[in-house]
Amino acid sequence: DVKVTQSSRYLVKRTGEKVFLECVQDMDHENMFWYRQDPGLGLRLIYFSYDVKMKEKGDIPEGYSVSREKKERFSLILESASTNQTSMYLCASSFPRREQYFGPGTRLTVT
Amino acid sequence: TQLLEQSPQFLSIQEGENLTVYCNSSSVFSSLQWYRQEPGEGPVLLVTVVTGGEVKKLKRLTFQFGDARKDSSLHITAAQPGDTGLYLCAGGSGSTLGRLYFGRGTQLTVWP
Repeated sequence: DVKVTQSSRYLVKRTGEKVFLECVQDMDHENMFWYRQDPGLGLRLIYFSYDVKMKEKGDIPEGYSVSREKKERFSLILESASTNQTSMYLCASSFPRREQYFGPGTRLTVT
Repeated sequence: TQLLEQSPQFLSIQEGENLTVYCNSSSVFSSLQWYRQEPGEGPVLLVTVVTGGEVKKLKRLTFQFGDARKDSSLHITAAQPGDTGLYLCAGGSGSTLGRLYFGRGTQLTVWP
């Protein structure tokens, strides 16, 4: 069974803080993805990675960065959290051009 | 730009009714996936279709990929309260390193 885990289910941070969201997968997938999900807007891709140390911008990368030092781990960094980054953050992994497997999500609130 | 349009956005029905959710695009996709998401959880894959005209069945759920691989439908027969959730379609383009393009989802509520 594919397992994608995320470091926190719920997180509350203050404006201006640096925030780290971590994602780990155990299926040796090459690809990993970070999305945010907001009501009425669906899933929007922030960044994805197709190999260690390789990354590509998604549709809404502004205000975010990512790190992939090991194949199984993909981190999303909010350099200076803002209230408009309050959202549900979802991590996913996959083999290239195959179905994606999602983690349970992190509900981030920035106050 | 939203590549995949899902309709309806919301659907509220009684147990036992049938329903169809649509996923449409002007783009051709190499594959089309359907996911279901429950509140507070990540999406879970239901099915992948890859061939134009392909039909797949999963118990009371029937998925169809359009002949031109631009659209798909999900039909549920005799809906049950356990079918309640957000249904998402996602298109894969083989030339883009494996990213998927998601529709905005259909929120289905089935009342007992």
